Amino acid sequence: DGGITQSPKYLFRKEGQNVTLSCEQNLNHDAMYWYRQDPGQGLRLIYYSQIVNDFQKGDIAEGYSVSREKKESFPLTVTSAQKNPTAFYLCASSPRQGDNSPLHFGNGTRLTVT
Amino acid sequence: GQNIDQPTEMTATEGAIVQINCTYQTSGFNGLFWYQQHAGEAPTFLSYNVLDGLEEKGRFSSFLSRSKGYSYLLLKELQMKDSASYLCAVRGGSGGYNKLIFGAGTRLAVHP
Repeated sequence: DGGITQSPKYLFRKEGQNVTLSCEQNLNHDAMYWYRQDPGQGLRLIYYSQIVNDFQKGDIAEGYSVSREKKESFPLTVTSAQKNPTAFYLCASSPRQGDNSPLHFGNGTRLTVT
Repeated sequence: GQNIDQPTEMTATEGAIVQINCTYQTSGFNGLFWYQQHAGEAPTFLSYNVLDGLEEKGRFSSFLSRSKGYSYLLLKELQMKDSASYLCAVRGGSGGYNKLIFGAGTRLAVHP
């Protein structure tokens, strides 16, 4: 079955360490996204990519970095510069960016930084 | 500015009907989505409205009024498994990126 796989489901890190969250899709979608979800707030867009080797900052990109070397993969690195990294991170994809296709989401990675 | 408002929490009884409202203010409008999200899981797509009116899909229906910046999700014959958060998201903006803006979600608790 096609879908989006995020790993790991839970991740614990010490403050000051960079950490990379994995996101892989086999839906053959061009567009991929990273969102952050915090209690009481809507999903906020961190980065998105419309096509391989291209990505754009979202609303809260500071302290994060991404790469899109393959169509299937869109890893997110949470750097030590991110002031409040503890959150639930969701990766999503869609056939193309900006059309009326719904987003397909992965099951998320809950990151805890202490 | 751009804003989406939904009630934070709602409760309802198994077998009943519940309506979850969503109001929005966005620059531009290119469609409204409803997603269901169980705790700790991925949001899953429920419905999409781009024209005014009601879209029905089984027990779930979604309504849109673009002139009022208003939508609702109607859930009929509630089941315990419908206990979840319901996210309203609007695609708006202009230019090269059609931005998808999410509300904070409405947490629905269904009781026996």
